[in-house]
Amino acid sequence: QVQLLESGGGFVKPGGSLRLSCAASGFTFSDYYMSWIRQAPGKGLEWLSYISNTGNIIFYADSVKGRFTSSRDNAKNALYLQMNSLRAEDTAVYYCAREDTYVVAFDVWGQGTTVIVSS
Amino acid sequence: DIQMTQSPSTLSASVGDRVTITCRASQSISSWLAWYQQKPGKAPKLLIYKASSLESGVPSRFSGSGSGTEFTLTISSLQPDDFATYYCQQYNIYSPSWTFGQGTKVEIK
Repeated sequence: QVQLLESGGGFVKPGGSLRLSCAASGFTFSDYYMSWIRQAPGKGLEWLSYISNTGNIIFYADSVKGRFTSSRDNAKNALYLQMNSLRAEDTAVYYCAREDTYVVAFDVWGQGTTVIVSS
Repeated sequence: DIQMTQSPSTLSASVGDRVTITCRASQSISSWLAWYQQKPGKAPKLLIYKASSLESGVPSRFSGSGSGTEFTLTISSLQPDDFATYYCQQYNIYSPSWTFGQGTKVEIK
């Protein structure tokens, strides 16, 4: 079935780095735009990054621009988020999500991976 | 940036009630609005896209309406499974970005 599975979350100190992965299955990954979205504890949803199906167009939210880098490997059906210069406010559950191109909504979500930034 | 204002932040209702949640955009977003349901510890689930189109598999008691700057999500008859938090999400075509509303928690009255 259509599925997204994130991994790579964990505990990291402020200023540190982490790389998240999102493994896609059950659909033609290379046909879809993808995004990363996060949710801080007890808070709402925050869109972070969008990457086109070929990976040549990428957008970031201002809150992570210059610190986070999104990429994808269509041969491996994988999406990545490299997170550098992490701050306490980056503590959140990170979701990858598939975008339904025609309606610009996120129709498939992963289960999320937790990132905790603390000294 | 386009700001999304969702109201109310919390809503207390009983099974069988008609429930309406509102989302307002700071400028016109045409019909590029979606609604999601999220339960504790789970990922969000798409309910409505393009303001009023029901996602496949979503019960027909959910409906969306609006265009431009004001949108509503209506649950015609609240069911026990509907107690959750609901988020609107807009897409800004002028400065590609996606913004979520602050969320509405629907609680048991």
